[in-house]
Amino acid sequence: SQQGEEDPQALSIQEGENATMNCSYKTSINNLQWYRQNSGRGLVHLILIRSNEREKHSGRLRVTLDTSKKSSSLLITASRAADTASYFCATEDNFGNEKLTFGTGTRLTIIP
Amino acid sequence: DAMVIQNPRYQVTQFGKPVTLSCSQTLNHNVMYWYQQKSSQAPKLLFHYYDKDFNNEADTPDNFQSRRPNTSFCFLDIRSPGLGDAAMYLCATSRVPGEEQYFGPGTRLTVT
Repeated sequence: SQQGEEDPQALSIQEGENATMNCSYKTSINNLQWYRQNSGRGLVHLILIRSNEREKHSGRLRVTLDTSKKSSSLLITASRAADTASYFCATEDNFGNEKLTFGTGTRLTIIP
Repeated sequence: DAMVIQNPRYQVTQFGKPVTLSCSQTLNHNVMYWYQQKSSQAPKLLFHYYDKDFNNEADTPDNFQSRRPNTSFCFLDIRSPGLGDAAMYLCATSRVPGEEQYFGPGTRLTVT
């Protein structure tokens, strides 16, 4: 399977703390994306980082990409109860497949 | 607001009774995707259209078909639903393949 792996599978933290999720993948990529999914809803795109980028910020989100290790991390700073959701990484490989391959996801719970 | 709309949000069908799920978009995106997502799993791509070009995933069962009559609409037909087809079905769009995807809220399919 080319599916990525995310670590941890589940994470519970206190509101206000930082949350870090990691994603590993198997192929050479054009870009890596992070999505959030609230329970029973569709996915929402958070951030896209291209293979020639190493770090990207968006509000309270910070994403890093290490193509030599085929890994990425998503950091959410100053977490809020509304951040409770599942987070998925997704990669576009450079084989011309025209699709994203999603990781297994991390279930994040923010404790008020 | 531009968006991806899925109807119905909840669908109950009987074992073996054909069912059609619909998706429409106001984003004028070239690519439309259908994903199947089972509980606590990553979305699994079934197929996608890039304009009128249909791309079927190798492991998508023949029981699943799709139609894209125009840019705005895409349909998922399940010819003979089995109990194992109960899942959330997500429609997504992107301007071009591999870029940010916009998801609809999903249709929860129950097979009785």
